[in-house]
Formats: sequence, structure tokens, C-alpha cells
Amino acid sequence: GAGVSQSPSNKVTEKGKDVELRCDPISGHTALYWYRQSLGQGLEFLIYFQGNSAPDKSGLPSDRFSAERTGGSVSTLTIQRTQQEDSAVYLCASSSGVRGETQYFGPGTRLLVL
Amino acid sequence: QQQVKQSPQSLIVQKGGISIINCAYENTAFDYFPWYQQFPGKGPALLIAIRPDVSEKKEGRFTISFNKSAKQFSLHIMDSQPGDSATYFCAASSRTSGTYKYIFGTGTRLKVLA
Repeated sequence: GAGVSQSPSNKVTEKGKDVELRCDPISGHTALYWYRQSLGQGLEFLIYFQGNSAPDKSGLPSDRFSAERTGGSVSTLTIQRTQQEDSAVYLCASSSGVRGETQYFGPGTRLLVL
Repeated sequence: QQQVKQSPQSLIVQKGGISIINCAYENTAFDYFPWYQQFPGKGPALLIAIRPDVSEKKEGRFTISFNKSAKQFSLHIMDSQPGDSATYFCAASSRTSGTYKYIFGTGTRLKVLA
């Protein structure tokens, strides 16, 4: 079946604009994660969804970042008033709810804030 | 205590040689340790994973060695090939955290010379 998909694949925006990043998880996966990968850095956890609820938002770097998930499927990560330091690759992963340690990653959205 | 320390940062190996990447952790609650492979412009892909009830897991040319008492685990790539050239990330997660969110190492950039 299809893997995790993300859109857009690339996004260039101007400082101060809002952006929305979309993630379509693997069908049937109840858990969904957002991570951020900065150039040359590792992956940084942002937020976790189980179904439509987000029990762990501890990684969101500021209140400009928010995310939602609807229908237990698609998730949107929104960054308001983007700053240059928000430039990174935003990765989404999903996993099965049953002993769901294994996470499957999408290709990422490369965000560049000018 | 949430960190996963990964070394080396970069590694150059001759074709046919053995590539070894090491990771260390502090949090004894971690109970799942995956390794991910990432090619430029792609999302991370699961390579191999281990749970702490075993000391070694082998899949083809890839082996994880796990030392619970030392809180260390390593990835060995036997007969390294140019196609293995990629960035490798170790990670750890904890079932007790309730989220299975991954704590990633900072990555190792492997280059296998032809």
C-alpha cells in the first residue's frame, strides 16, 4: 500500500507569512508524529497524535506552531508568522496503534523562509 | 537524560569494509532502538531495530549489537557498498512515555569508497 505522503514537497515563503504543511499517514495508522530536521542536524520531535488528539505537544518550539489532525487521518502543521530560523525539513511519520514502535516516515517538506 | 549520543559524525570506509556506528543513552526506560537510513532529499527509512531483551540482531549485512548494562548500542554494516553511502540515525523510544516518540542521535554521514 501507499506510504506516508507529505505536501508540498518544497515551500518557499517570506518572513512573516503563514504556512501549512500536510501529512497523509499510512491508512489505518492511528499514531502520527511531526519532526523537524534542520540542515546538518538530527531530527527533533515536535508533536504526537493518537487519533485526533495530541497528548504530547512538548516539542513545539513556540506558540507560532500548531497542528491538527482530522478524521484520524490527515494532519496539518501550521507555522504562523514564519521566521528564518523555521527553515528546515519537516518530517511526518505514522505508526500502528498496536505496539506501534516502528515509525514510517514521509519524504518531508523542505521549508525555506526568506 | 533524554539524549542519545551518536558517533562518529562522519565515516569513510573502503568498499568491502565494516562500518561501525555507535550510540549511547542514559534513560533506562528506553525499550526500543531503531536505526534509520536517510538518503539526500528523502525521508528516513527503517533499517533495523532491536529491543533490550536481546544482545544482537542481524538482518543481512546489518547487525545491531546491544549492551544493556553499558547503555550502548551499535550498528555494524558488513561488506560495505557504495550504495550504503547515506546518513544513519540511531533512535530510542520508551513505551512508558505513552507516545513512543523517538529521541534521535545526531546522525552519521557514511561514505563508502568504490
